[in-house]
Amino acid sequence: QKEVEQDPGPLSVPEGAIVSLNCTYSNSAFQYFMWYRQYSRKGPELLMYTYSSGNKEDGRFTAQVDKSSKYISLFIRDSQPSDSATYLCAMSFPPGNQFYFGTGTSLTVIP
Amino acid sequence: DTAVSQTPKYLVTQMGNDKSIKCEQNLGHDTMYWYKQDSKKFLKIMFSYNNKELIINETVPNRFSPKSPDKAHLNLHINSLELGDSAVYFCASSQGSGGVTYEQYFGPGTRLTVT
Repeated sequence: QKEVEQDPGPLSVPEGAIVSLNCTYSNSAFQYFMWYRQYSRKGPELLMYTYSSGNKEDGRFTAQVDKSSKYISLFIRDSQPSDSATYLCAMSFPPGNQFYFGTGTSLTVIP
Repeated sequence: DTAVSQTPKYLVTQMGNDKSIKCEQNLGHDTMYWYKQDSKKFLKIMFSYNNKELIINETVPNRFSPKSPDKAHLNLHINSLELGDSAVYFCASSQGSGGVTYEQYFGPGTRLTVT
């Protein structure tokens, strides 16, 4: 079993839709949770970063962490064609040297 | 200014050759990484260096050898290239221990094709 599981999709939504992306994990020691966005033929870029449980909001993006269920989510409101990319979740635990990635979910937002 | 840079961006070579990929970061981070991303987009860590010291060495063939001449550079040398080495290789850096954040910053990737 992989440390981090993520549905690869692909996910296709109309412009303006709310998108929900999810990851589950098995290691309860994870404390740092991240979402990366990767455009085609580019490196991943950090989108959101959360420590431990709770919600974090940044513009149209909301990250949620439920440590009791070992489940994290990324919500995108009012999705735009420019949001079309692969979204990777990642997590780590102290001392934070090693990051475990999900396989990524491919998202397409149709104008 | 590019935060994490890699050279070359594309590398096409034949089986059996030896090649190197270079990485540099100007973020002042003390930890650097090499990842391999396969055709299914799975990102798997290969190595990590903290202050020039190897701290993570995943199950990677010993044909792969990282070298960190200083904190800002981490190179990857690959001997006797095989078809299965074809992938995108990403360098990344992060600020490590000490209670600071742990986000990683990735380079643009090196697309390696072995023929």
